[in-house]
Amino acid sequence: DTGVSQNPRHKITKRGQNVTFRCDPISEHNRLYWYRQTLGQGPEFLTYFQNEAQLEKSRLLSDRFSAERPKGSFSTLEIQRTEQGDSAMYLCASSLGGSVIEAFFGQGTRLTVV
Amino acid sequence: GNSVTQMEGPVTLSEEAFLTINCTYTATGYPSLFWYVQYPGEGLQLLLKATKADDKGSNKGFEATYRKETTSFHLEKGSVQVSDSAVYFCALNTGTASKLTFGTGTRLQVTL
Repeated sequence: DTGVSQNPRHKITKRGQNVTFRCDPISEHNRLYWYRQTLGQGPEFLTYFQNEAQLEKSRLLSDRFSAERPKGSFSTLEIQRTEQGDSAMYLCASSLGGSVIEAFFGQGTRLTVV
Repeated sequence: GNSVTQMEGPVTLSEEAFLTINCTYTATGYPSLFWYVQYPGEGLQLLLKATKADDKGSNKGFEATYRKETTSFHLEKGSVQVSDSAVYFCALNTGTASKLTFGTGTRLQVTL
């Protein structure tokens, strides 16, 4: 297992276009998280899944954002009608459930909206 | 709500100098505390963790002690190397969801 994998690594899109990112977690991990990191800031929580169920969504996740994890394995994050403010690094992490959670992060997808 | 405050960077040190990066937190309940490191061009990596008061996390020469009385989790290393140059993030989680709350990060630059 090579860890959490995210694709694409970089995405440049025009304002108003839709984009979709993919995350493949560590295979035995049942929890999957999405975070957003803007320049000079720490990652901010967006949403998390336990298996295929989306259990929590941040207020940061506007109605233009949707995330899925259809079979409890990989996940996709879609942003519709992108805006320049959506430019950021989108990070995916996975973990095993338990009393102490160590989240393992992917390298992220850097989105630039022009 | 939960929050993490880190000292602002960048921190510039000479090789073999002593490092301290301050981190304080506010949390409901009893958080677990973490330090993550982000090397240039790479993803976040867990550096160390502590799950209860007075626990000391350590890894690769770095240490941090969970101080409940001062709500702090300062990162220390006795002798830094050029290869330690990176951005360091303090983080916590609470509750069953275990989502992480991060500080803003502190950039460390170590020079020869």
